[in-house]
Amino acid sequence: DIVMTQSPDSLAVSLGERATLNCKSSQSVLNSSNNKNYLAWYQQKPGQPPKLLIYWASTREFGVPDRFSGSGSGTDFTLTISSLQAEDVAVYYCQQYYTTPFTFGPGTKVDIK
Amino acid sequence: EVQLVESGGGLVQPGRSLRLSCAASGFSFDDYAMHWVRQAPGKGLEWVSSISRNSGSIVYADSVKGRFTISRDDAKNSLYLQMNSLRAEDTALYYCAKAGCSFTFCYVNKWGQGTLVTVSS
Repeated sequence: DIVMTQSPDSLAVSLGERATLNCKSSQSVLNSSNNKNYLAWYQQKPGQPPKLLIYWASTREFGVPDRFSGSGSGTDFTLTISSLQAEDVAVYYCQQYYTTPFTFGPGTKVDIK
Repeated sequence: EVQLVESGGGLVQPGRSLRLSCAASGFSFDDYAMHWVRQAPGKGLEWVSSISRNSGSIVYADSVKGRFTISRDDAKNSLYLQMNSLRAEDTALYYCAKAGCSFTFCYVNKWGQGTLVTVSS
């Protein structure tokens, strides 16, 4: 199984400041045949289902604010929130869908400092 | 607007069965793969099973393989999860989730609100 790790476990950032969340996979999730990284980022607010932010490691889902961006390839990925807003308080999960089981990371909790 | 509405959860004794349903609307259901993802109380997300468009590809997590069966009825725009031999560790909120692609190896782009399954004597 591909193990997904996320760091830090939690993060407190001042409003308007940058938040950087990391995700690492135990094996590459890059498909060399189509040059796509099978990596997604989700946001989950308390009492709500997750919401897709980023897929193919760097493609922003329609309607997601452009302060959210994804980067990385192979085994190391980053979700950046360029200017943290109050509504961004949530847990953020990465997930690989390259091979079964489609594993999620343990999540990074983002709060306001 | 995409809507996914789960039903069928509840309290069930260990060893018993339960069938979850998911009613989909707002998109061409038969064009997309579908997933079930669960979340134990206070815990993270765990992928359970996926089914491709046309049911050509079906995959399961090892933790449920042989006990759970995913299926879909495109005529009814519905997804199902038959859960047999339930265990305490199956207790979770079960999300019906739409894939962004027709194949199983795909991200989730829409989630339902979930249905709670509690396995306890």
